[in-house]
Amino acid sequence: AQSVTQLDSQVPVFEEAPVELRCNYSSSVSVYLFWYVQYPNQGLQLLLKYLSGSTLVKSINGFEAEFNKSQTSFHLRKPSVHISDTAEYFCAVSLSGYALNFGKGTSLLVTP
Amino acid sequence: GAVVSQHPSRVICKSGTSVKIECRSLDFQATTMFWYRQFPKQSLMLMATSNEGSKATYEQGVEKDKFLINHASLTLSTLTVTSAHPEDSSFYICSALGGANSPLHFGNGTRLTVT
Repeated sequence: AQSVTQLDSQVPVFEEAPVELRCNYSSSVSVYLFWYVQYPNQGLQLLLKYLSGSTLVKSINGFEAEFNKSQTSFHLRKPSVHISDTAEYFCAVSLSGYALNFGKGTSLLVTP
Repeated sequence: GAVVSQHPSRVICKSGTSVKIECRSLDFQATTMFWYRQFPKQSLMLMATSNEGSKATYEQGVEKDKFLINHASLTLSTLTVTSAHPEDSSFYICSALGGANSPLHFGNGTRLTVT
């Protein structure tokens, strides 16, 4: 079975500071990896995904994640966060790309 | 705008009653829908996968007779929590898939409280 561990339940950070949200996965076979974001009172939105190819994937709003097979990690990073990035972030793993196993989520709180 | 509508967003019911949650794809046909459950401070746990016109596939440990899933059309799947108990109180989220190469869209979730 595949599983995901998000090591930090909450990450407070000041605006314009860099941030890293950690995600480690466990699987004996190749998997797809995802980061989803959930803004307050909204559904989950896909932020970025790794299916194959380049291990560094980027989103349109400045986030990026790097697939590291040797460390079984898929950490999410942003060099400079905004207040509007405050949200819950979920890392997920899947064999098929559709039936997802999620981590517990990391609450990113950006303050002025 | 939202492409998957989940209704209701919140529901409170008494122990022993049944509650139906709807998940609708608004501008696409959803061949497959997924139902998740999330406890406070916990992961979203996949409960079941439903394909239009066929029986849902439940994950290990999920009681299929308690959590009835119906996917009768390409735009609607329903989850019915039968004979609800306080331990069924949770956040239920659906997601819908339009096809093999389509993105996965999530609903906004339903907060169920059983008193």
